[in-house]
Amino acid sequence: DIQMTQSPSSLSASVGDRVTITCRASQRISRWLAWYQQKPGKAPKVLIYSASSLQSGVPSRFSGSGSGTDFTLTISSLQPEDFATYYCQHSDSYPVTFGGGTKVEIK
Amino acid sequence: EVQLVESGGGLVQPGGSLRLSCAASGFTFSSHWMTWVRQAPGKGLEWVANIKQDGSEKYYVDSVKGRFTISRDNAENSLYLQMNSLRAEDTAVYYCARVPGRDSWWDYWGQGTLVTVSS
Repeated sequence: DIQMTQSPSSLSASVGDRVTITCRASQRISRWLAWYQQKPGKAPKVLIYSASSLQSGVPSRFSGSGSGTDFTLTISSLQPEDFATYYCQHSDSYPVTFGGGTKVEIK
Repeated sequence: EVQLVESGGGLVQPGGSLRLSCAASGFTFSSHWMTWVRQAPGKGLEWVANIKQDGSEKYYVDSVKGRFTISRDNAENSLYLQMNSLRAEDTAVYYCARVPGRDSWWDYWGQGTLVTVSS
């Protein structure tokens, strides 16, 4: 199985900060990677798919990059509504797996 | 508007069974792979199972193989998860989700239904 390792597991940031979350796959997954945002008590929401494609309706402050084993989600200017938990997920092969999550908290 | 509405969750004893349903609307259900994803209380997300448009292909996470069965009824626009031999570690919110294309990521999710396995 492909393991997805996210870092950090949590971070504190202020509104307006640039935030970067990384995700590393245990083997090469090309660009088969998606990023999700989840708020408490809510279903996840896809932000990025195919490593760098922005899902329709998602603000452009969110961006994704990477290929192979190393990937990054960047929030260019953190907004109040961005405080949430973020997950990466690969779709290279079965079983599909998620990273452990990164909780973004208010500083 | 795309909608996915799960139902069927509840409290069940270890070793028991439960059938989850997901009612889909607002899109051509028969054109999409569908998925169940779960989340244990306070934990991360775990993919559970995928099913192809016509039900001819099904994939499961190892921890549920032989106990859970994913199925669908395209005439009823419904997705199901039959869960047998339930264990405490199956306690989670179960989400159904739509795969937009061939790649297994999900663009629409239901609100989730809570399954609690406890005596």
